Amino acid sequence: KQEVTQIPAALSVPEGENLVLNCSFTDSAIYNLQWFRQDPGKGLTSLLLIQSSQREQTSGRLNASLDKSSGRSTLYIAASQPGDSATYLCAVNSGYSTLTFGKGTMLLVSP
Amino acid sequence: NAGVTQTPKFQVLKTGQSMTLQCAQDMNHEYMSWYRQDPGMGLRLIHYSVGAGITDQGEVPNGYNVSRSTTEDFPLRLLSAAPSQTSVYFCASSPGTGILDGYTFGSGTRLTVV
Repeated sequence: KQEVTQIPAALSVPEGENLVLNCSFTDSAIYNLQWFRQDPGKGLTSLLLIQSSQREQTSGRLNASLDKSSGRSTLYIAASQPGDSATYLCAVNSGYSTLTFGKGTMLLVSP
Repeated sequence: NAGVTQTPKFQVLKTGQSMTLQCAQDMNHEYMSWYRQDPGMGLRLIHYSVGAGITDQGEVPNGYNVSRSTTEDFPLRLLSAAPSQTSVYFCASSPGTGILDGYTFGSGTRLTVV
C-alpha cells in the first residue's frame, strides 16, 4: 500500500525566503506525482504535475523535482510572498485509478 | 469550461437523514472519485469510478453509496447520516491513468451532521 509523508507539517518564513517542501512515498512504481495548493476553506488547486520519467517541472517561481528511485519529491518556492501562504499537498498516482495524499505542509509567509 | 462542479457547498443534516452530494464534470473524464478531508487525517478515498457503470470502494466506503450512470455525473449518497460523517467532501476527475493525466478537484461540500 502506497504511503505518502510530507515534512515539515508546518513552516513559517519571512517574505522573500526561498523554501523547500518535502514529500516521500513508499512505493516507487508511480505514474506521476501532483502538487496541490489549498487555501483555508477552499478546494485543491493543481500546481504542478511531474511524470514518472521526469526529474523536474517548473511553473513560475515553483519548481518540483522527483527522484523516483529514492521515493522523494521536493517543491521549491523561490522568493516567497505572503500570497503563497496556504497548505501544500503532495499526491501520488500509482496507476490504481486514484491518488494517495500526504497530510500536507501548512505554509505561512509573513510580510 | 466549468471543470468539476459540486453542490451543495454547505449542508447541515440531522442524524439519520439521507442526502446526495452532487458532482458533475464537463471535461469528458473517465475517472471520477470522492474524498473526505478531516483534520489530522488528510484526504481519504471513499469511492471511485473508472467509467460509466463501473464503481469501486476506496479506503472509507462505509455509510456511502455511489453510482455512475453517465460519464459526467458521480453522485455520493449518504444513506443514514451519522456525526462521524461530518467532514469536507471533494470530488475529483481525471482523463485516466496515463503519465500525463492529472486530477482536477471540485471546490468541496462542507457537511455537518448534528
